[in-house]
Amino acid sequence: DIVMTQSPLSLPVTPGEPASISCRSSQSLLHTNGYNYLHWYLQKPGQSPQLLIFLGSHRASGVPDRFSGSGSGTDFTLRISRVEAEDVGVYYCMQGLQTPFTFGQGTRLEIK
Amino acid sequence: QITLKESGPTLVRPTQTLTLTCTFSGFSLTTTGVGVGWIRQPPGKALEWLALISWDDDKRYSPSLESRVTITKDTSKKQVVLIMTNMDPGDTATYYCAYRGSYNYGLGTYSFDPWGQGILVTVSS
Repeated sequence: DIVMTQSPLSLPVTPGEPASISCRSSQSLLHTNGYNYLHWYLQKPGQSPQLLIFLGSHRASGVPDRFSGSGSGTDFTLRISRVEAEDVGVYYCMQGLQTPFTFGQGTRLEIK
Repeated sequence: QITLKESGPTLVRPTQTLTLTCTFSGFSLTTTGVGVGWIRQPPGKALEWLALISWDDDKRYSPSLESRVTITKDTSKKQVVLIMTNMDPGDTATYYCAYRGSYNYGLGTYSFDPWGQGILVTVSS
């Protein structure tokens, strides 16, 4: 199985400040088609996970442009340029390259 | 618009079999490149992928649960069913179904999106 490791696991942020979350995979997520099969989700309190970034760097429909994803192979980063109060929740990375699909442990973002 | 909704029992006794149904709209599970997956989340814990069924009836399972889990589809009813045998209190979780579509075919993002609202299943005697 591909192991996904996120850091940090807890992320207190002041509104308006930037934030970043790292996700590392135990194997390369780069497919022969050129896409990195790494996705980012945000699970807001009491809600289902919602897709933020797919295939490493593609912002999902309706996601604010303050969210961005980067990286390739085994190292990926989710960045929030200016954190807002509505961004609180748990962020998960997920690899979709091969089954079993696997998730990171989650990073809890809280507002200072 | 794609929507999915999970249904089934919210309380199951240990050793019993759980049957969950995902009823969806906005797509057909006969379309090439389309799939539906099941993911669960124990209270306060991380997400765990369980199973995936694709348009061509290809089925994939989490190796840790493969002996206990079966996924099937009924394309005419627009439903996907997850069956999990020999339930244990450790299987207490919110169970989600989610859509997975091919990006190359313009049907999705290769990720799970969107997700259903989830159903909390408690395993207790």
